[in-house]
Amino acid sequence: GQNIDQPTEMTATEGAIVQINCTYQTSGFNGLFWYQQHAGEAPTFLSYNVLDGLEEKGRFSSFLSRSKGYSYLLLKELQMKDSASYLCAVKDSNYQLIWGAGTKLIIKP
Amino acid sequence: GAVVSQHPSWVICKSGTSVKIECRSLDFQATTMFWYRQFPKQSLMLMATSNEGSKATYEQGVEKDKFLINHASLTLSTLTVTSAHPEDSSFYICSAREPGVISEAFFGQGTRLTVV
Repeated sequence: GQNIDQPTEMTATEGAIVQINCTYQTSGFNGLFWYQQHAGEAPTFLSYNVLDGLEEKGRFSSFLSRSKGYSYLLLKELQMKDSASYLCAVKDSNYQLIWGAGTKLIIKP
Repeated sequence: GAVVSQHPSWVICKSGTSVKIECRSLDFQATTMFWYRQFPKQSLMLMATSNEGSKATYEQGVEKDKFLINHASLTLSTLTVTSAHPEDSSFYICSAREPGVISEAFFGQGTRLTVV
């Protein structure tokens, strides 16, 4: 079956750095997405990786290793507004998005 | 990025009634739209894939007669929850795919449905 694993919850301090990991086992791979979702709101797109390596976009970076079925989202200079759930999703061989359960990130002052 | 508008953002209805939720792509033509349901503290669950001009493809366990999907144009898909019950109360989210391989599936704002 298809499976995406990410930690349920993480806590970090304002101004610090946090890394959210995601491992996946899917039938085929056509890219990995990270989304941010605040409580009661729809997800918003953060990043997309299809090749191995690091993609940097401002305070957020995403890394992919296809051979390991592994990705991480790195958030730098954390701000209180970064408190949200972070969803990892993989596009499988049918180009369908397979979703992880999300990681709830709690930022403390 | 592309804009997807979903309406209404929240609705309260009585048990046994039907509710229609609209999903529109405002600045692109979406040949494919997706309908998700999300229960509290859970991830998105794909309910169905809606293709313009054809019948929707429902995921296993989703009742197609209860959740009616109509994708009548390239910019509009609707989800109708028929004979709603309290257990249908959830957060319903649509997303639309722009044609192309690298499509991020832009999301609507979501609809909070409460059935009383």
